[in-house]
Amino acid sequence: QKEVEQDPGPLSVPEGAIVSLNCTYSNSAFQYFMWYRQYSRKGPELLMYTYSSGNKEDGRFTAQVDKSSKYISLFIRDSQPSDSATYLCAMSRSGGSYIPTFGRGTSLIVHP
Amino acid sequence: EAGVTQFPSHSVIEKGQTVTLRCDPISGHDNLYWYRRVMGKEIKFLLHFVKESKQDESGMPNNRFLAERTGGTYSTLKVQPAELEDSGVYFCASSQDITGYGYTFGSGTRLTVV
Repeated sequence: QKEVEQDPGPLSVPEGAIVSLNCTYSNSAFQYFMWYRQYSRKGPELLMYTYSSGNKEDGRFTAQVDKSSKYISLFIRDSQPSDSATYLCAMSRSGGSYIPTFGRGTSLIVHP
Repeated sequence: EAGVTQFPSHSVIEKGQTVTLRCDPISGHDNLYWYRRVMGKEIKFLLHFVKESKQDESGMPNNRFLAERTGGTYSTLKVQPAELEDSGVYFCASSQDITGYGYTFGSGTRLTVV
């Protein structure tokens, strides 16, 4: 079983839709939870991170962590064509080197 | 502030040849990381430098891969001899602190071994 599972998609939605992206994980030692966005031919860029459980909101983006279910989500409200990209979840332990473990990424397509 | 720079952006080499990838981190970032993404798979950690020292090289696949970071500035990743399974995108990232979330990634080098 992989430590981090993420459906690769693609996920295709109309402009303005609410998008829900999810990851599950198996390692209960993970404490930091991150979402990266990667455009084609570019490197991943950090969108949001949370520590332990709870919600975090930044503009149209909301990250949720449910440690009891080992499940994290990223919600995008009022999705735009410019949101079309691959979204990668990543998570790391506290202490040590903090090296994150990545999911495979979900390809999101927002069509006008 | 300049970002993380990687070159070449794309390299096509024959099996058995040698390739050297370069990464220039953000100035002042002591931490430099190499990652690799094979097509259809996750981004996988290769190794971590703190300044010029290898802090963690547990992700290096085998001894055909050699990473260096002379003087704690730029880093090179050499693959010698290259095999078909080495194809993928090699990413470099840097960070000021060891946080696990404060990375800045480069655009990657797409390596194709034929």
